[in-house]
Amino acid sequence: QSVLTQPPSVSGAPGQRVTISCTGSSSNIGAGYAVHWYQQLPGAMPKLLIYGDSIRPSGVPDRFSGSKSGTSASLAITGLQAQDEADYYCQSYDSSLNGPFFGTGTKVTVL
Amino acid sequence: QVQLQESGPGLVKPSQTLSLSCTVSGVSLSSGSYYWSWIRQPAGKGLEWIGRIYTIGSTSTGTTNYNPSLKGRVTISADTSKNQFSLKLSSVTAADTAVYFCARDIASRSNWFDPWGQGTLVTVSS
Repeated sequence: QSVLTQPPSVSGAPGQRVTISCTGSSSNIGAGYAVHWYQQLPGAMPKLLIYGDSIRPSGVPDRFSGSKSGTSASLAITGLQAQDEADYYCQSYDSSLNGPFFGTGTKVTVL
Repeated sequence: QVQLQESGPGLVKPSQTLSLSCTVSGVSLSSGSYYWSWIRQPAGKGLEWIGRIYTIGSTSTGTTNYNPSLKGRVTISADTSKNQFSLKLSSVTAADTAVYFCARDIASRSNWFDPWGQGTLVTVSS
């Protein structure tokens, strides 16, 4: 089961901006637990993209940004590139389930 | 640079126990600086956290936390002399067929995972 809901897919043309939502509840995002984002290229392991709601690890382009408000979080990709085509997952902690949980995942397609 | 590598059988029979190891390089498991997690992903599906271990010093058990949905079937342990941690999942069924990843678990109020191993596919089939 997943307590974090994401849209199954989003798409955009090269150069455009796309956003991916991650909707939680009062026992996870709404309780103030940080949200993290991962990028999974086809056939590869997930890679940390954003941690602590909006912090980019070293080496992650500033085209990727994260934000959080209330019981939801968002990942924005600006200047969309073909290499951004991947699956994206949000992740947080849920106090009722007492552990980390991932979102349902979103497939980004570059048109 | 921290790196992780999973290893273990790629095929397990139903009702048997799945056993995997994760070899860590670049940091000592016994340093007590991080947790170490297992995560799995069925083909075409999302990610599921299995559990984690925290070790300090030369101990094989450490502190563990497990996903409640798997509790009772999961055991995670560590061999600090080999800088490895391991996963055992008992009474497996076809539903346990997945790619299994190990990852460094950076603990905070809401922990995150970085880096990840490349993953290993485990198929449950007779």
